[in-house]
Amino acid sequence: EVQLVESGGGLVQPGGSLKLSCATSGFTFSNYWMHWVRQAPGKGLVWVSRIKTDGSYTSYADSVKGRFTMSRDNAKNTVYLQMNSLRAEDTALYYCTSLYTSDYWGQGTLVTVSS
Amino acid sequence: DIQLTQSPSSLSASVGDRVTITCRASQGISNYLAWYHQKPGKVPKLLIYGASTLQSGVPSRFSGSGSGTDFTLTISSLQPEDVATYYCQKYNSALETFGQGTKVEIK
Repeated sequence: EVQLVESGGGLVQPGGSLKLSCATSGFTFSNYWMHWVRQAPGKGLVWVSRIKTDGSYTSYADSVKGRFTMSRDNAKNTVYLQMNSLRAEDTALYYCTSLYTSDYWGQGTLVTVSS
Repeated sequence: DIQLTQSPSSLSASVGDRVTITCRASQGISNYLAWYHQKPGKVPKLLIYGASTLQSGVPSRFSGSGSGTDFTLTISSLQPEDVATYYCQKYNSALETFGQGTKVEIK
C-alpha cells in the first residue's frame, strides 16, 4: 500500500522557520519526481516546488523562491521542505505528492503563520 | 510565467448532463496538462494527464482534449459523486501551475 505521511507543520510566528517532512512507502520513491502543493483554507491548489529523482534539480514557485528549499533522502524515502522567512500568506495545508506521474498524495500538514 | 485560466469558475448541472470545463494557457504548453478533482474534505485526485490520457481507475465518463493553449475536460454524464472542484495543471516547464478551479454542483 502506498503511503505518504507529512509532518512538521504547526504554528509559527512571521519571519520564523519550519521544516516539513514527507515519509513515503509502498512505491519506488527514487524513481519519482516529488512535489509540494499547498492549499490555503477555502482556497485553491497552489504548486510550491518539485525535485528530481536524484535530488540534483529543484524548482520553485515565484512566491516561495529564495525562502523555501526542497530536498530528498532516497535512502530514507523521504522528501523535505525547509521554509524560512515565513509570512502570513504561507498559511496553508501542505501536501507532498507525485502529481501527474502517479497521483500519490499525503493527507497534508497544516502550517499556520501568525503572531 | 504562463497562466492558466479556467472557465467557468462554478457551474450547476443536473444528473446525467454533459459538463464541459475549459482551461486556457496564456502560451502554448503542448499537451503537458493534467486535470484533477478534489471532493470536499478530500485529497485531490488525478483524472487526466497528457491532456487526454485517462488515469487508471478513473471512470470513462471523464475525458480530456486539447493541445497548445486550449484544453477541455468533459464529463459525459454527470453523477452525484462528481460534485467537486476541478483543477487543471500545467507541467511543461520549471514552473508548474494550477488553474484557479471550477466548482461543480448538482442542480
